[in-house]
Amino acid sequence: DQQVKQNSPSLSVQEGRISILNCDYTNSMFDYFLWYKKYPAEGPTFLISISSIKDKNEDGRFTVFLNKSAKHLSLHIVPSQPGDSAVYFCASTVYNFNKFYFGSGTKLNVKP
Amino acid sequence: DTGVSQNPRHKITKRGQNVTFRCDPISEHNRLYWYRQTLGQGPEFLTYFQNEAQLEKSRLLSDRFSAERPKGSFSTLEIQRTEQGDSAMYLCASSLGFDGTDTQYFGPGTRLTVL
Repeated sequence: DQQVKQNSPSLSVQEGRISILNCDYTNSMFDYFLWYKKYPAEGPTFLISISSIKDKNEDGRFTVFLNKSAKHLSLHIVPSQPGDSAVYFCASTVYNFNKFYFGSGTKLNVKP
Repeated sequence: DTGVSQNPRHKITKRGQNVTFRCDPISEHNRLYWYRQTLGQGPEFLTYFQNEAQLEKSRLLSDRFSAERPKGSFSTLEIQRTEQGDSAMYLCASSLGFDGTDTQYFGPGTRLTVL
């Protein structure tokens, strides 16, 4: 049962433009959401998070939006840079449940 | 601190053999997680420890899998009688353990290939 879904396996964006990565979840109990970035031969690294009491969280070039009614979150990267090229995973959990569910990832390619 | 380390980075074994992986978390982190990642998928939760106590195990963790964290420091994941379906990347992560939203820091993973 895949509770977190990333339906776009890949995304290609021109440098300087906006990258939008999407994620859907099915479990209405989820109340904490994260994005991780993964480079080849490395483990995922934490990027940004959002709790269900918010609908937006910003950190520099990265903004995560949460639409609870649609069970949808998105990650916006503005402006995109070639160094952002990586696989991005979204993850969800229930607060204090300590079990995180990951999507299958979206491979972002930012072209110079 | 150099982050979470995992050894070995790669392991090739024959079906039916036992393998053991090691994870060294960030030193002050109380929580330690094991995940499995197969090609084209995200990490799947296997189990986690709060200090030395194993608090949850996924149903993915069959009887052939066992994890330990003696003294609440490093952890080992053992797979007995390996099967080809066990081929995957095994990821370890650690976190401070203050609450359920602690940032998890991942190691580079151990890639297992079962022939």
